[in-house]
Amino acid sequence: GAGVSQTPSNKVTEKGKYVELRCDPISGHTALYWYRQSLGQGPEFLIYFQGTGAADDSGLPNDRFFAVRPEGSVSTLKIQRTERGDSAVYLCASSSEAGGTEAFFGQGTRLTVV
Amino acid sequence: ELKVEQNPLFLSMQEGKNYTIYCNYSTTSDRLYWYRQDPGKSLESLFVLLSNGAVKQEGRLMASLDTKARLSTLHITAAVHDLSATYFCAVDIGYGGATNKLIFGTGTLLAVQP
Repeated sequence: GAGVSQTPSNKVTEKGKYVELRCDPISGHTALYWYRQSLGQGPEFLIYFQGTGAADDSGLPNDRFFAVRPEGSVSTLKIQRTERGDSAVYLCASSSEAGGTEAFFGQGTRLTVV
Repeated sequence: ELKVEQNPLFLSMQEGKNYTIYCNYSTTSDRLYWYRQDPGKSLESLFVLLSNGAVKQEGRLMASLDTKARLSTLHITAAVHDLSATYFCAVDIGYGGATNKLIFGTGTLLAVQP
């Protein structure tokens, strides 16, 4: 498909475990964004990449969260030592350039930490 | 503190009626988005408003932006059931211009009753 693809769509993990969430942006999009949406809330900015580099990671809540985009396409959001409070829907978005055009969102990964 | 506030948070309206959703924000920005989200789905971009006085219309929805008042409105004309969803406004707060680093409002849950 031509849209932003996120895998898995659902992830259940035990408290303290490590998880990786994957995002495939729209082909050719150089900017990629991660947001987190808790139940009943609007999405909250985490980090964005321009190419391979993190242009702004000010939204990452703490050092348990890390994201990479080694080849400037697919990105992985990594969460260490998961806590129940990390449970949320993690949304990825991409745009053809940072701010040049609107960002298109994927379907999200629903993370549940038990 | 950066804030984006929407009101009302919940709106139940009858088919055929008109109503307005308000979005107030606390920071300087020249770029505001409106998104729609259906239950369990991702965000669908409705409008991008880029300058003071911008007005955009699509079908029964019309959005406007007043950057001096830091206010955007989403007006619904002659509502139909298909418009039932959660509507978010989001403000671009990226430094140095548009970046798609967005602060979202808490959302307005719209329920259109027959």
